[in-house]
Amino acid sequence: DAEITQSPRHKITETGRQVTLACHQTWNHNNMFWYRQDLGHGLRLIHYSYGVQDTNKGEVSDGYSVSRSNTEDLPLTLESAASSQTSVYFCATQGPGDTQYFGPGTRLTVL
Amino acid sequence: GENVEQHPSTLSVQEGDSAVIKCTYSDSASNYFPWYKQELGKGPQLIIDIRSNVGEKKDQRIAVTLNKTAKHFSLHITETQPEDSAVYFCAASRMDTGRRALTFGSGTRLQVQP
Repeated sequence: DAEITQSPRHKITETGRQVTLACHQTWNHNNMFWYRQDLGHGLRLIHYSYGVQDTNKGEVSDGYSVSRSNTEDLPLTLESAASSQTSVYFCATQGPGDTQYFGPGTRLTVL
Repeated sequence: GENVEQHPSTLSVQEGDSAVIKCTYSDSASNYFPWYKQELGKGPQLIIDIRSNVGEKKDQRIAVTLNKTAKHFSLHITETQPEDSAVYFCAASRMDTGRRALTFGSGTRLQVQP
């Protein structure tokens, strides 16, 4: 079955370090998204991509970057991790019917 | 940009009762309104969605209503069961434009008491 996976599932890092969160999907969907989830804020959009070599900023993109070199992967990079980036991160893809399919999430702690 | 507000933040009901969660949106051009259920430790999962050309949609015990004039939509769960306990999120988007990302409400934690 097609699926979307995220790795690692849990990550602890230190302030100032570069961190990359992986997202891999096997649906061959063009549209992919990264959200962060914080208590009281729901899910907020960080970056999104509509295809290879396409990337766009969302509402909370400061301090994050993405790259899209193939259809299957959209890695999210925190250039210099900050305590404010402690959160749960979700990757999602969007199918032909507009439904977004979410991965299991990565819990990131920045100390 | 779009802003989605969701109420209540927590909701406790007795098993068998109905539950209603309400959302309002700000962008009158939004035309796609999904609802997601998130269980502990998992990603959100779509449970039902509605488009702006429809006023109501039902799927077994779950229904969603949309009032475009007032810019609000609601999730209705009837005959609640303990397995309905989860966090529910509403969202809105403009699916006919280049940007198809969702704007989410802040979530409602539903507890169904046996």
